[in-house]
Amino acid sequence: QVQLVESGGGVVQPGRSLRLSCAASGFTFTINGMNWVRQAPGKGLEWVAFISSDESNKFYADSVKGRFTISRDNSKNTLYLQMNTLRAEDTAVYYCAKRGSSWYYFDSWGQGTLVTVSS
Amino acid sequence: QSALTQPASVSGSPGQSITISCTGTSSDVGAYSYVSWYQQHPGKAPKLMIYDVSNRPSGVSNRFSGSKSGNTASLTISGLQAEDEADYYCSSYTTSNTVVFGGGTKLTVL
Repeated sequence: QVQLVESGGGVVQPGRSLRLSCAASGFTFTINGMNWVRQAPGKGLEWVAFISSDESNKFYADSVKGRFTISRDNSKNTLYLQMNTLRAEDTAVYYCAKRGSSWYYFDSWGQGTLVTVSS
Repeated sequence: QSALTQPASVSGSPGQSITISCTGTSSDVGAYSYVSWYQQHPGKAPKLMIYDVSNRPSGVSNRFSGSKSGNTASLTISGLQAEDEADYYCSSYTTSNTVVFGGGTKLTVL
């Protein structure tokens, strides 16, 4: 079955950087687009970014554009999110999510990793 | 991109039906038939319940159904069960090639 395991979260100061990883298994990672979705504590879901299977397409939410970069290593079945110039409002649980038959809905989710931006 | 509008909470008794609305604009919900619904229990990851307005993934109960009219989509849960108590989120593809979620609705089974 599909397994998505996020890692790399933690406490980081405002303005610093952090890289999240998502290890995928149980499906053919190399032919599937992937997404990051986040959820601030006690708040709703917010889509963050999408990457196509071959990295030819990358889309970002306006709130992270220019600061976050989504990437993947198909040889390692791993998805990444490089987060730079972090702000307090980036504090959230970050989920990686596999696309469904279309990229804009998510049929499998990881358990998430918590990122806390605080001085 | 503003979040889609959902009621903060809805409630119903076991066996009853409830409907959760999700209102957007002509740039998202009204533009395409690309609305999805997710269920999230406390402390858990979201689960896909409906995609492309009214399609159910394999394994999702047929008690869950979706529809759309204009800029408003709806999720209906019939024959309410205790395990349906959760938060529900709608989402939509947008004309800006992004995805926008609703603010979420807390469903209470009385």
